[in-house]
Amino acid sequence: DQQVKQNSPSLSVQEGRISILNCDYTNSMFDYFLWYKKYPAEGPTFLISISSIKDKNEDGRFTVFLNKSAKHLSLHIVPSQPGDSAVYFCAASARSWGKLQFGAGTQVVVTP
Amino acid sequence: ETGVTQSPTHLIKTRGQQVTLRCSSQSGHNTVSWYQQALGQGPQFIFQYYREEENGRGNFPPRFSGLQFPNYSSELNVNALELDDSALYLCASSLDRGGLTDTQYFGPGTRLTVL
Repeated sequence: DQQVKQNSPSLSVQEGRISILNCDYTNSMFDYFLWYKKYPAEGPTFLISISSIKDKNEDGRFTVFLNKSAKHLSLHIVPSQPGDSAVYFCAASARSWGKLQFGAGTQVVVTP
Repeated sequence: ETGVTQSPTHLIKTRGQQVTLRCSSQSGHNTVSWYQQALGQGPQFIFQYYREEENGRGNFPPRFSGLQFPNYSSELNVNALELDDSALYLCASSLDRGGLTDTQYFGPGTRLTVL
């Protein structure tokens, strides 16, 4: 039962442009959403999160948008840099549960 | 501040054997969660430990078991290894504040190969 979906397995973007990653979820009990970045042979690194009481959270080059009615969130990276090339995972949880449900990930490649 | 550490980095076992993976949580954290990540997939929740007790479990059989110690470090044990257990095993630590879990921070993982 895939409750968190990332429908784009890969994304290629030019350096300096915007990267937009999308994520959909089905469980209305989710109230906390996170994005993680993963390089090969490393564990996921926390990037940014958003609570369901907000619709936007910004941290430097990273902004996460949450549309609760559509059960959709997105991550914007502006401007994209070569070091951003990695796999990005969307994750969701109900904070009272503790467990995270992950999407399958999106491979981002930033080209010069 | 010390981050989440895991050992060993890599491990090769044969089918039917048993394995123990270890995790040290980030300082100040009291909760440890374990995830299995198969190739090309997102991490799948195995279980979570809080105050040395299992506090939630995913869809994994009983041959996957764990422990949490008083210093909040943790072990994941897998008995009767199967070929499909080959995966990256990730440990994440977090702070549970009265029943609400904060952001989980991951270790580098242990790559398990079952032959």
